[in-house]
Amino acid sequence: QVQLQESGPGLVKPSGTLSLTCAVSGGSISSNNWWSWIRQPPGKGLEWIGEIYHSGRTNYNPSLKSRVTISVDKSKNQFSLKLSSVTAADTALYYCARNTDYWGQGTLVTVSS
Amino acid sequence: DIQMTQSPSSLSASVGDRVTITCRASQGISNYLAWFQQKPGKAPKSLIYAASSLQSGVPSKFSGSGSGTDFTLTISSLQPEDFATYYCQQYGSYPRTFGQGTKLEIK
Repeated sequence: QVQLQESGPGLVKPSGTLSLTCAVSGGSISSNNWWSWIRQPPGKGLEWIGEIYHSGRTNYNPSLKSRVTISVDKSKNQFSLKLSSVTAADTALYYCARNTDYWGQGTLVTVSS
Repeated sequence: DIQMTQSPSSLSASVGDRVTITCRASQGISNYLAWFQQKPGKAPKSLIYAASSLQSGVPSKFSGSGSGTDFTLTISSLQPEDFATYYCQQYGSYPRTFGQGTKLEIK
């Protein structure tokens, strides 16, 4: 059973960079899957941020593309998200997922000084 | 971007009822559609992929249909654990986009 676990700071200052990691267990990140980040502001719907393949190929949401970097570390079986120049609008639950099937439990990131 | 519109936004139903939720895409997406269930404080759970294929372990009371721009999720014989928010997502085009959600409440 594939499991994903997000980790990272729960509080980020405005104009700073949000950094999260998703550790994958029960399966290889080098398998034929896309690894995604999705977020959900409190009480609101889901927004797709982007995805990465183990080769390093990425696809990003154009609405965030200028601020987002997703990377993969095959040696640690994990992938990461960096979102720069954050504002209060970036406060959300951040989920990592494999394709559309397996999701992490999510981690709340609050942007506040 | 492809806009995904779900209807209704909220729905009241009773235990034992059968309900249908609709998802409409602003452009054709073939069958590249998934359905998720989300309960309060929990991550979304995948129910259906490719518009009508049931994820492993998901009970057959959940069924999906559709192709192109119009899709439905049907839940039969509602039980208390089925009351949740349901989202559709298209993955036929970038960026992937979600519907706004349908909150299914107990009547």
